[in-house]
Amino acid sequence: QVQLQESGPGLVKPSQTLSLTCTVSGGSISRGTYYWSWIRQPAGKGLEWIGRIYTSGSTNYNPSLKSRLTISVDTSKSQFSLKLSSVTAADTAVYYCARDTLTLDAFDIWGQGTMVTVSS
Amino acid sequence: EIVLTQSPATLSLSPGERATLSCRASQSVSSYLAWYQQKPGQAPRLLIYDASNRATGIPARFSGSGSGTDFTLTISSLEPEDFAVYYCQQRSNSPPWTFGQGTKVEIK
Repeated sequence: QVQLQESGPGLVKPSQTLSLTCTVSGGSISRGTYYWSWIRQPAGKGLEWIGRIYTSGSTNYNPSLKSRLTISVDTSKSQFSLKLSSVTAADTAVYYCARDTLTLDAFDIWGQGTMVTVSS
Repeated sequence: EIVLTQSPATLSLSPGERATLSCRASQSVSSYLAWYQQKPGQAPRLLIYDASNRATGIPARFSGSGSGTDFTLTISSLEPEDFAVYYCQQRSNSPPWTFGQGTKVEIK
């Protein structure tokens, strides 16, 4: 079955760029009924949708992060990536990648999550 | 941005009891509402999509209802593994998608 796995540094310095990659295995990233999303969760808090990408490269971003955010896709590697610039302590969170299935209008498959701490 | 408000924040119940969780949207989301379950240290798991459809493999004791701005997740008889945090999430006409703040179902 389809699995998602996040990877990237667990520690980022303030003002630098947070970079994460999600690798999709067990299925095609290019299938037309899916978007691929990033979602984050600060410790002890709720979930925040960050943004999503279609395999064509079309993106939607959360307006609260849009000025600092870039999401990209590499279909040849079955990966999509997140870059968040000028990070602060407020960006410390568990970051999840998730499959955004259009036929369900929901996130039906999630990665296990990766903790990113912003600290000097 | 559509705001989702979940109530109560915490629900204290015993195994075998019925759980009723509420999610209210700041404007209509039609039936574009999903429910997720999250256990400590785990990613959320999709339970319900489009307000009332159970996701693959979800037991029949979980049911969802509602449309427009008011939605309910019901767990008919709580099993020990159901004690967790539950989130609602909306998909209206266009992003950003938003989540409620969560309801924790704890053992009484």
